[in-house]
Amino acid sequence: DAKTTQPTSMDCAEGRAANLPCNHSTISGNEYVYWYRQIHSQGPQYIIHGLKNNETNEMASLIITEDRKSSTLILPHATLRDTAVYYCIVRLIQGAQKLVFGQGTRLTINP
Amino acid sequence: DAMVIQNPRYQVTQFGKPVTLSCSQTLNHNVMYWYQQKSSQAPKLLFHYYDKDFNNEADTPDNFQSRRPNTSFCFLDIRSPGLGDAAMYLCATSRDLAPGETQYFGPGTRLLVL
Repeated sequence: DAKTTQPTSMDCAEGRAANLPCNHSTISGNEYVYWYRQIHSQGPQYIIHGLKNNETNEMASLIITEDRKSSTLILPHATLRDTAVYYCIVRLIQGAQKLVFGQGTRLTINP
Repeated sequence: DAMVIQNPRYQVTQFGKPVTLSCSQTLNHNVMYWYQQKSSQAPKLLFHYYDKDFNNEADTPDNFQSRRPNTSFCFLDIRSPGLGDAAMYLCATSRDLAPGETQYFGPGTRLLVL
């Protein structure tokens, strides 16, 4: 699986949009971009995934650059409950299904 | 609600004393995974079951075993826990191994080795 690079930590004010970047410059054409988050002392929670196009669901939006070398997860109106470690993961479309977690970004939402 | 359940949330064992962690799921998913997450580190896959087929990661120590008696349950057995095995153990499921399938995690069991 391709490696990802994320900032170690970020802060965001409550009610504002939180934009979490991820660099995956070695991604290949058959790899998805996945985002999970882990709130303290809980299991990881799936947020969103995409291949080429931008995606949106009830939790977040995923913006993938045209060259697919980076992406941004957007939480449109961050709340205190969004404080967590956010993991950006690239996964092969076929073959090994394991999630290879990097160190993630520790996002703190401030009141 | 359909979910992945892990009990207990906290487990204490003694050095060298075998311990079993439990996971159950109501999602009727074919695949069940076990991850290990040490303090301040990211989760790391130990092994997974696709139905009854067991798939071990190459670097998973022999000390770790798993059983899946039926679709709903999966167990992690640590034969002789060492201090270095203290960690959060996460169970996850996915419907299948097909492309794009999402993994759903339980809350984890935190293991303490005395």
